[in-house]
Amino acid sequence: QKEVEQDPGPLSVPEGAIVSLNCTYSNSAFQYFMWYRQYSRKGPELLMYTYSSGNKEDGRFTAQVDKSSKYISLFIRDSQPSDSATYLCAMSKISNYQLIWGAGTKLIIKP
Amino acid sequence: DVKVTQSSRYLVKRTGEKVFLECVQDMDHENMFWYRQDPGLGLRLIYFSYDVKMKEKGDIPEGYSVSREKKERFSLILESASTNQTSMYLCASSFVGASSGNTIYFGEGSWLTVV
Repeated sequence: QKEVEQDPGPLSVPEGAIVSLNCTYSNSAFQYFMWYRQYSRKGPELLMYTYSSGNKEDGRFTAQVDKSSKYISLFIRDSQPSDSATYLCAMSKISNYQLIWGAGTKLIIKP
Repeated sequence: DVKVTQSSRYLVKRTGEKVFLECVQDMDHENMFWYRQDPGLGLRLIYFSYDVKMKEKGDIPEGYSVSREKKERFSLILESASTNQTSMYLCASSFVGASSGNTIYFGEGSWLTVV
């Protein structure tokens, strides 16, 4: 079993819909949780990071961490065609150099 | 903004050639990383470095080596390129902060084709 599980998709939704992207993990030592967005043939770019549990909001994006369920989510409101990309989750332990990555979910927003 | 620059975006090399991929970051980050990304396999860590002249093996170091002579520069070396090393290579850098954890910043990627 992988330490981080993420459905590869593709997930296809109409423009304007609320999108929910998710990752589950098995190691309770993870404390930092991140979401990256990767456009085709580009490097991943950091979207959001959270420490421990709770929610964090940035514009149309909300990151949510539920440590009791070992489950993290990224919500995108009012989705736009420009949000079409692969979304990768990543997480790490305290004072650890390495991130553990999900496989990435390909998201397609249909105009 | 953090800038991680990979010197070559697209390369075509022959089997057996020695290949250098160069990466420079401008944010004085301590840590630097080399990943490769393949369809269906996700991001896999090749090597990382947490200080000048220091290096640690990642998950798939075989066939690769690295060099970090200066803090801002981290090079990936393919000693004798093989076709199974055809991939997208991503360089990244990070610092470990109390609130940011180990958030890393990526370059644009280098697409290597070995023929």
